[in-house]
Amino acid sequence: SQQGEEDPQALSIQEGENATMNCSYKTSINNLQWYRQNSGRGLVHLILIRSNEREKHSGRLRVTLDTSKKSSSLLITASRAADTASYFCATDAGWNFGNEKLTFGTGTRLTIIP
Amino acid sequence: GAVVSQHPSWVICKSGTSVKIECRSLDFQATTMFWYRQFPKQSLMLMATSNEGSKATYEQGVEKDKFLINHASLTLSTLTVTSAHPEDSSFYICSARGMEGNYGYTFGSGTRLTVV
Repeated sequence: SQQGEEDPQALSIQEGENATMNCSYKTSINNLQWYRQNSGRGLVHLILIRSNEREKHSGRLRVTLDTSKKSSSLLITASRAADTASYFCATDAGWNFGNEKLTFGTGTRLTIIP
Repeated sequence: GAVVSQHPSWVICKSGTSVKIECRSLDFQATTMFWYRQFPKQSLMLMATSNEGSKATYEQGVEKDKFLINHASLTLSTLTVTSAHPEDSSFYICSARGMEGNYGYTFGSGTRLTVV
């Protein structure tokens, strides 16, 4: 399967600043999700945005989706040291068998400097 | 919330031996489970999709005879790495999805496999 691209690959910011990560994908999607992964650990689901939605908020997270450009962005406001992790976007093509598998982007490694 | 337990969290084995990794959904029935492999500082690559009671569907380039997947019940899927070699050393992560089709794909905590 074709992976999506994320940029930047790595991002270092000062605590309290906002962090923005971008994700581009290649095929039509049903949903796009963002996950966080701490080093050597499993994935934590952050937020899901459907293909018919343009923006979604959850706490300090804001996700946008532009299906015409096949891209999404994740904004983390007022960053904290605990936000240091890798962030991945993932897309699925539907709920039925064969389409439900997630295709992950290349990831952004975010480092928050205290 | 939905919880997926993956064991072991890490394992070291000798070349030529086989290793089994278990993935259990603790509080929901997982009709579909996914197995991923992740190399250091890289993204997750889907290896196979398994449905309870049927054969797994492998992604292109993944050897089905080397990576045996069994999804015998609605709460358990196993991945067996047969005749492991050092190049199989990686981080393996499972994910489960329930019948209700809730939006979240619940992930296990991963297994670090080192083949020496």
